[in-house]
Amino acid sequence: GESVGLHLPTLSVQEGDNSIINCAYSNSASDYFIWYKQESGKGPQFIIDIRSNMDKRQGQRVTVLLNKTVKHLSLQIAATQPGDSAVYFCAEIRGSGNTGKLIFGQGTTLQVKP
Amino acid sequence: KAGVTQTPRYLIKTRGQQVTLSCSPISGHRSVSWYQQTPGQGLQFLFEYFSETQRNKGNFPGRFSGRQFSNSRSEMNVSTLELGDSALYLCASSLAQGTGEQYFGPGTRLTVT
Repeated sequence: GESVGLHLPTLSVQEGDNSIINCAYSNSASDYFIWYKQESGKGPQFIIDIRSNMDKRQGQRVTVLLNKTVKHLSLQIAATQPGDSAVYFCAEIRGSGNTGKLIFGQGTTLQVKP
Repeated sequence: KAGVTQTPRYLIKTRGQQVTLSCSPISGHRSVSWYQQTPGQGLQFLFEYFSETQRNKGNFPGRFSGRQFSNSRSEMNVSTLELGDSALYLCASSLAQGTGEQYFGPGTRLTVT
């Protein structure tokens, strides 16, 4: 069925480098995407979201890019720090209006090497 | 402002038993959603409650149910537990229903033996 998923299960980067975590989706009608971070032993934490009327959105040290043509979004983390080590999930709201449900991808584990 | 709290944090039950998990949302949040997290299936949506009404439901059997009280606190119940119900159950609250910006609790780790 239609899904939102991630490209790589694990990503390893050097501290200070930029990280790029990718996600693909299959439903061209999807219009609202969200990134979450989950640290060990904790619940997911909201990072940033983007709607389909935008192709880029920036937060603190993070940027989300949305390419609707190829149904792909990415999360870029600048100057990656040890505290960024976590599992990152892309998710979408599936459904119309305010009745949508949050559907998560499988997650990418980001490992930051000191 | 206090975050989302879930009780209990850990639970061990036997097959066939039932279990009730509790969630207290962030003050002012009226929407509460529940998710099941397992290594094999990942994070899966169970249901969402808003103003004491179930607004959305995932693809889980009827053994999984929930409710929301007038103070927005929510409970979920699993009856006739199966080994496959062992998982981390996460509750999330938000200001509005159907929003992507949700605030998660630490979860309840349920082990079914």
